[in-house]
Amino acid sequence: EAGVAQSPRYKIIEKRQSVAFWCNPISGHATLYWYQQILGQGPKLLIQFQNNGVVDDSQLPKDRFSAERLKGVDSTLKIQPAKLEDSAVYLCASSSRGTILTEAFFGQGTRLTVV
Amino acid sequence: EDQVTQSPEALRLQEGESSSLNCSYTVSGLRGLFWYRQDPGKGPEFLFTLYSAGEEKEKERLKATLTKKESFLHITAPKPEDSATYLCAVQDAGNNRKLIWGLGTSLAVNP
Repeated sequence: EAGVAQSPRYKIIEKRQSVAFWCNPISGHATLYWYQQILGQGPKLLIQFQNNGVVDDSQLPKDRFSAERLKGVDSTLKIQPAKLEDSAVYLCASSSRGTILTEAFFGQGTRLTVV
Repeated sequence: EDQVTQSPEALRLQEGESSSLNCSYTVSGLRGLFWYRQDPGKGPEFLFTLYSAGEEKEKERLKATLTKKESFLHITAPKPEDSATYLCAVQDAGNNRKLIWGLGTSLAVNP
């Protein structure tokens, strides 16, 4: 079974620039998550999709972050404009049982450095 | 306030030296507790889910246990390849069933 795919693996941008991350979840997984993980901390949920609908985006900084999930499969996360404090690893995860308790499977992450 | 606290922050063991990691939690109602392993530069890898107090799960040298207030991840006779950060997450039965993550325990096992 193929895992969660993310790209790019690394990205360096200047502050005020924009950036986009892509995620392809495990086939058949209805739920997709985007997390932000700052070095030395646990993952912080940014947004959770159930199919192509948003379940939870309460911690997404909506003035600069946006996310969409096309046709309930792939997803993109965008930051515009980026700030220095956005430097982190952005993790995508998917799970198979919707919002019911279930384990999530993570991709390798995209390491973003804002300079 | 919902909270997950992991201890210790860092742990260094000699190969073969057994120990335990702790995850204590405060939630209105526990729906489930997850343990993950994270290697540097990689996403978290799922290890266990525990649903109710008294439950135990094992995988190779790892054993996870759960009480009403905390979970332990016991590592028996660890090997250098067990070196990683171990993350604990709790799903609250209320609070929109959010996952609340701890900061992790960084484990180093010396040969």
